[in-house]
Amino acid sequence: TQLLEQSPQFLSIQEGENLTVYCNSSSVFSSLQWYRQEPGEGPVLLVTVVTGGEVKKLKRLTFQFGDARKDSSLHITAAQPGDTGLYLCAGALGAGGTSYGKLTFGQGTILTVHP
Amino acid sequence: KAGVTQTPRYLIKTRGQQVTLSCSPISGHRSVSWYQQTPGQGLQFLFEYFSETQRNKGNFPGRFSGRQFSNSRSEMNVSTLELGDSALYLCASSSRLTLSGYTFGSGTRLTVV
Repeated sequence: TQLLEQSPQFLSIQEGENLTVYCNSSSVFSSLQWYRQEPGEGPVLLVTVVTGGEVKKLKRLTFQFGDARKDSSLHITAAQPGDTGLYLCAGALGAGGTSYGKLTFGQGTILTVHP
Repeated sequence: KAGVTQTPRYLIKTRGQQVTLSCSPISGHRSVSWYQQTPGQGLQFLFEYFSETQRNKGNFPGRFSGRQFSNSRSEMNVSTLELGDSALYLCASSSRLTLSGYTFGSGTRLTVV
C-alpha cells in the first residue's frame, strides 16, 4: 500500500519551462518534506512544511502543504538543467514528532531539464 | 561539520552470506534511521535508533537487524542474504525529536549475487 502517491513519475522539459510535482495521500501527515536525490547519492532535504496551507519558497522552488495536511506540491519556475534529478516527497505520521525516524516516501519524480 | 558517513560505499556478497553496514551520524545527532532503496519499491523504512534504543521498525523480516552504540554510530546487519536484498541502503540522522528533516548519507550499494 503506497500511502503517498507522487505524480508525475517522469518529467522531461526544456530549460525555462515551469513544472509542478504533486504528492497526495488519504492520510494526514504531521509534516511533509521534499528531497532531491542525485544518482549514487543520498537524498538531500529541500524543505519541511508542517502547517496546513503553508507555502515556502526556495529561490525558484515553491512548496505548498495542503490545508488538510494530506497533500503537497512542488513548483519550479524557469527550470534549469541543474534542476535535473529525482524529487521525493516524504511524510511523517504521528503528532508531536512521534514518527521516530519513519518517513513514508512517495515513489519519486525523475525530472530531466534539457538545455 | 562532517555529514553522515556510511561505509562501505559498495559491497558485493553471495547469497546466504551476511553483511554489516556502518553509519556515523552528524556529530550531536542521536537519532539514526535506516532505509532500503530499490527501483521497484522506492525508499522503505527499516528501523530507527535513538540513544541505543530501537524506537521504530518497518515491515522487514527478522534477517534485518541493527544496533546503535553509545557514540550514536549505528550498524545494520542482514543475515542469509537473498538476491532481493540488492539495494542502496541509506542511513539518516537527526538531532531533534520533532518534525525537522533528516540528513542522509550517500548510502551503501549492496549487490547480492
